[in-house]
Amino acid sequence: QKEVEQDPGPLSVPEGAIVSLNCTYSNSAFQYFMWYRQYSRKGPELLMYTYSSGNKEDGRFTAQVDKSSKYISLFIRDSQPSDSATYLCAMKTSYDKVIFGPGTSLSVIP
Amino acid sequence: EPEVTQTPSHQVTQMGQEVILRCVPISNHLYFYWYRQILGQKVEFLVSFYNNEISEKSEIFDDQFSVERPDGSNFTLKIRSTKLEDSAMYFCASSDPPRWDTNTGELFFGEGSRLTVL
Repeated sequence: QKEVEQDPGPLSVPEGAIVSLNCTYSNSAFQYFMWYRQYSRKGPELLMYTYSSGNKEDGRFTAQVDKSSKYISLFIRDSQPSDSATYLCAMKTSYDKVIFGPGTSLSVIP
Repeated sequence: EPEVTQTPSHQVTQMGQEVILRCVPISNHLYFYWYRQILGQKVEFLVSFYNNEISEKSEIFDDQFSVERPDGSNFTLKIRSTKLEDSAMYFCASSDPPRWDTNTGELFFGEGSRLTVL
């Protein structure tokens, strides 16, 4: 079983749609959960991080963590063409390397 | 805003040649990392570095790889004898130590160095 799994997409939505991106993981020792955005041929950029189970909101983005199900989500409201990128879920234990999921490619069509 | 800078942005080399990729981490950060991303694949951890020594390395980081912090600002990744399968984007990252009350030790990534091995 892979440590972090994520549907690679591609996912294509119309502008203004709500986007749902998801990851599952197998290592129950993961404590920090992150979402990174990566534009083509650029480095990953941190969007959201969460520590505990529950929701965290930042503008149009909401991160959700369910540790009991080992499942995390990122919701994007009112999606914009500029949101078109690859979204990487990532996680780590307390003092450890960050492990990335394979990424979901998102296109927001004007 | 402080940022991680990497050079070169793109390097083409012949198989068997040595390559050095350079990174300047954010100045007050203490943890340094190299990650690799083969085209179309996921971002993979290579090595972490703290207090002038490797703190963790992955299976990918074999004897042909080495890292060094030769001075107070640079952090380098050396590949001694490049192979075709080393062709990838190499990302450097740096972070503060994580703190339970304020941050996760967020990794700040550079723009990457694209390595093409012919």
